[in-house]
Amino acid sequence: DVKVTQSSRYLVKRTGEKVFLECVQDMDHENMFWYRQDPGLGLRLIYFSYDVKMKEKGDIPEGYSVSREKKERFSLILESASTNQTSMYLCASTRTSGGLGEFGPGTRLLVL
Amino acid sequence: QKEVEQNSGPLSVPEGAIASLNCTYSDRGSQSFFWYRQYSGKSPELIMSIYSNGDKEDGRFTAQLNKASQYVSLLIRDSQPSDSATYLCAAAVDSWGKLQFGAGTQVVVTP
Repeated sequence: DVKVTQSSRYLVKRTGEKVFLECVQDMDHENMFWYRQDPGLGLRLIYFSYDVKMKEKGDIPEGYSVSREKKERFSLILESASTNQTSMYLCASTRTSGGLGEFGPGTRLLVL
Repeated sequence: QKEVEQNSGPLSVPEGAIASLNCTYSDRGSQSFFWYRQYSGKSPELIMSIYSNGDKEDGRFTAQLNKASQYVSLLIRDSQPSDSATYLCAAAVDSWGKLQFGAGTQVVVTP
């Protein structure tokens, strides 16, 4: 019953490293989202994509980029990881406006 | 800045009682609202959606929406220890699935 998967559950990286977080969905959804979740701040939208090759900035895009080369895959890239990017990263997808029904399991990233 | 506000809790509820969670939102243009449940260390799961003023019931959950007051609530009847989780309120920003989330309310159901 695989729906949204993320490449890693836990990741430890060093400051300055380039980090790739992968998200794959098997539901043929057009829309995909990357959020980060921090205690007391809730989920904040980093980037989203409504179609292949399309990307839109969310509320906190600084320090991040994304890639959507195929419909099922949405990658989040930390160009030069910093300690303030230590967080839980959640990918989600949806076909319609019926809410984000499917989140991935999340990637807990620690940047040292 | 569009905002969704929730009390952080924790909200302590005796087993079998009703848990009442509240949420307010700032964007009058929001038309759709959602409640997610998130267990510790897990990702959020959608439990309720509501689009019209009034109540919507699904099992032990009831969502209430008042657009004039910009207020959404979630009632959990006959609370069980398995309901202990953080509940996230979200408002749709657009019609494509983009959501604005509150910080979440932690619910603790005590036996």
